[in-house]
Amino acid sequence: EVKLLESGGGLVQPGGSMRLSCAASGFTFTDFYMYWIRQPAGKAPEWLGFIRNKANGYTTEYNPSVKGRFTISRDNTQNMLYLQMNTLRAEDTATYYCAREAAISVYVMDDWGQGASVTVSS
Amino acid sequence: DVQMTQSLSYLAASPGESVSISCKASKSISNYLAWYQQKPGEAYKLLIYSGSTLQSGTPSRFSGSGSGTDFTLTIRSLEPEDFGLYYCQQYYEKPLTFGSGTKLEIK
Repeated sequence: EVKLLESGGGLVQPGGSMRLSCAASGFTFTDFYMYWIRQPAGKAPEWLGFIRNKANGYTTEYNPSVKGRFTISRDNTQNMLYLQMNTLRAEDTATYYCAREAAISVYVMDDWGQGASVTVSS
Repeated sequence: DVQMTQSLSYLAASPGESVSISCKASKSISNYLAWYQQKPGEAYKLLIYSGSTLQSGTPSRFSGSGSGTDFTLTIRSLEPEDFGLYYCQQYYEKPLTFGSGTKLEIK
């Protein structure tokens, strides 16, 4: 059974930094692209970026809306996915989800975590 | 960016009825369209990809149609467990974008 569990959310001041983690289990982690998506309360989900699998060199792509402030990384020895968020703003307040790419289609996510809440406020 | 519009934000229907949820793309996305269900306290669930292909485990009462800019998710013979939020997502180009969601309430 695929499991994705985010952690590391909470309250952070504007301008601050936060790192979210996602513990993955139940599948061969290195075989899959991994994604971060966020969703402000009552709004549409927003794709933040992904990190490719081993076969594609673990390279990353980002939404221009967060490129340069957010960094996605992975620890393949621990089956962990990370999202480093810097220079946080109030508009970054959202629930953050990690997700695994579907085996049957690129850029589609077939397993999601429950989400981690991030609040940016003074 | 490709804008995804779900014009209906809320929909209520009774068990046994059929409903359709629409999603419109701001440009042609061929059939690079996925549908997700989100229920309170649960993880997002992929229902359909490639516009009309059911993900493994998706009940056959769900179907997807459309290509280009206009897409529809249809649920036949609604079951009580079908309540929740439904989102479309385009993956024709990056940045990947989602619709704003349609909340389905079971009467």
